[in-house]
Amino acid sequence: NAGVTQTPKFQVLKTGQSMTLQCAQDMNHEYMSWYRQDPGMGLRLIHYSVGAGITDQGEVPNGYNVSRSTTEDFPLRLLSAAPSQTSVYFCASSYRTPQGPRGTEAFFGQGTRLTVV
Amino acid sequence: GENVEQHPSTLSVQEGDSAVIKCTYSDSASNYFPWYKQELGKGPQLIIDIRSNVGEKKDQRIAVTLNKTAKHFSLHITETQPEDSAVYFCAAGDSNYQLIWGAGTKLIIKP
Repeated sequence: NAGVTQTPKFQVLKTGQSMTLQCAQDMNHEYMSWYRQDPGMGLRLIHYSVGAGITDQGEVPNGYNVSRSTTEDFPLRLLSAAPSQTSVYFCASSYRTPQGPRGTEAFFGQGTRLTVV
Repeated sequence: GENVEQHPSTLSVQEGDSAVIKCTYSDSASNYFPWYKQELGKGPQLIIDIRSNVGEKKDQRIAVTLNKTAKHFSLHITETQPEDSAVYFCAAGDSNYQLIWGAGTKLIIKP
């Protein structure tokens, strides 16, 4: 089982460049999310989606766009990269919301290490 | 909004000893508390979770306790083994239906 697949694994961008981080899951999960992980700060939610065609902002959405045209794919777009966006990005999916009284396990991809110079 | 504090940031224990990691949360409406383990170069993986209607949950060498009054929960690992070395994250669900994560604890198992 592939689970959650993220590409690329590593990326270096110049300030001002744009790019798309890809995320695909094959578990037919409705809920997908993007996090960034910075040293000493845990994971912070960027955007999430509760199903195809529905997206919403998380804790740190500025500078990022998402779309959810299919259940399987949830790409994250950096519009104009800045050094502050240097981080490790994780995509996750779950059968339903990963929190609340019906919270379920979130399955994570292996991450994309992004450096903006 | 929710705030989750996790301590310690680094924990070094002798193989075979127990390890305890503690988290506190601020939103009394939070009702789901998962713990994730992240190995080097990988994404986090759920190891155990607890809901607010339960005070303790065990799964082999791992246990989690929840004190709703004090708003803190802890991860207990007994008989630690080298493969337990990793970064552990706690999280709490806030009233905005988002998971708020602790900063992580690097657990080092000394042979």
